[in-house]
Amino acid sequence: NFMLTQPHSVSESPGKTVTISCTRSSGSIASNYVQWYQQRPGSSPTTVIYEDNQRPSGVPDRFSGSIDSSSNSASLTISGLKTEDEADYYCQSYDSSNWVFGGGTKLTVL
Amino acid sequence: QITLKESGPTLVKPTQTLTLTCTFSGFSLSTSGVGVGWIRQPPGKALEWLALIYWNDDKRYSPSLKSRLTITKDTSKNQVVLTMTNMDPVDTATYYCAHTRYYGSEFDYWGQGTLVTVSS
Repeated sequence: NFMLTQPHSVSESPGKTVTISCTRSSGSIASNYVQWYQQRPGSSPTTVIYEDNQRPSGVPDRFSGSIDSSSNSASLTISGLKTEDEADYYCQSYDSSNWVFGGGTKLTVL
Repeated sequence: QITLKESGPTLVKPTQTLTLTCTFSGFSLSTSGVGVGWIRQPPGKALEWLALIYWNDDKRYSPSLKSRLTITKDTSKNQVVLTMTNMDPVDTATYYCAHTRYYGSEFDYWGQGTLVTVSS
């Protein structure tokens, strides 16, 4: 079994860029796709990135995803921050028999 | 348009068995690749994957909860049922069901979630 570790919280000002990391504890980050979900208070999660770096239709191109094999981690980058981006963000991946979510990162846009 | 909705008891007693139903529309669980998963979220805490069932009846369970979980599907009724035995107060959470397009793909459509409280 593996774990995905995210920072508990990040904060940044409107208009700036923020990056949230997601580190895989065992197994290669590149071996299985990573997805990113946004969850606003009281709402169900929605996908902002799938298959490492793909954006669903309707998600602005301010959101981007990447993976880095050297650090065995994935990253979600949000540029041109808006107050509406304030939410919890979760990474998620899987292996042959286990789907895993990261612990979530609370993004504050202040 | 894909929609999913969870239903079941809002309150269960410790040691009881929880049965949740996910009723969906806009897709068929007989379509190749398609799956429905269950994910839960304790109040103020992170998402936790529980189980998945695919179109071909392939079933996957969280290793830590496998002994307590059973997932089944009724394709004709467009429903997926999750049972969890021996409920404990730590199982208090919002339980979500979600659609996935193929093995390993993202959960692209989620239900609204249902809060289950475990208390005597």
